[in-house]
Amino acid sequence: NAGVTQTPKFQVLKTGQSMTLQCAQDMNHNSMYWYRQDPGMGLRLIYYSASEGTTDKGEVPNGYNVSRLNKREFSLRLESAAPSQTSVYFCASSARTGGLTEAFFGQGTRLTVV
Amino acid sequence: EDQVTQSPEALRLQEGESSSLNCSYTVSGLRGLFWYRQDPGKGPEFLFTLYSAGEEKEKERLKATLTKKESFLHITAPKPEDSATYLCAVRSGSNDYKLSFGAGTTVTVRA
Repeated sequence: NAGVTQTPKFQVLKTGQSMTLQCAQDMNHNSMYWYRQDPGMGLRLIYYSASEGTTDKGEVPNGYNVSRLNKREFSLRLESAAPSQTSVYFCASSARTGGLTEAFFGQGTRLTVV
Repeated sequence: EDQVTQSPEALRLQEGESSSLNCSYTVSGLRGLFWYRQDPGKGPEFLFTLYSAGEEKEKERLKATLTKKESFLHITAPKPEDSATYLCAVRSGSNDYKLSFGAGTTVTVRA
């Protein structure tokens, strides 16, 4: 049981380049999330998908787009990368949004924009 | 806006030296408080969920407790393998869809 799988694990981009971070979960969860983690700031929500077919902005959505491809997969796209997007990106999933439902995280993608 | 503050930022312990980590929160209607462990280069790993003041949860050498304003993660007789960053997160009535995280406490246990 792999849980939440993210690809790639590492990426270096030049300013202005685009890329898509992939995420897949095998736990039959309804909800999926993208977070970024920066030193001293904790994890911040970029976008989330409460269920298949829906996506919503989190607290730091600017410069990103997402696609909930199906129940298993949720991708994050950077259209024109900027140095401020250098971060570690985590995908997570949960059975549903809200309440006491815990979220399970992938191993992360370390992105550097030069 | 939900606020989660963890202290201390870093904690160095001798093996067997028990200690506590603090997570204080300001939210509009707590829906759940979560503790995660994060090892270097890895994603957060779920530990506990707490909801009601007075609630306690235990797992091996870890015990989490909850009051109306803060949560504590007690580490009893820690071992080097307990070295990690411990993250606290909350869900609130105003932001029920997301987890709001603190910056974490990095614990280092020396043999």
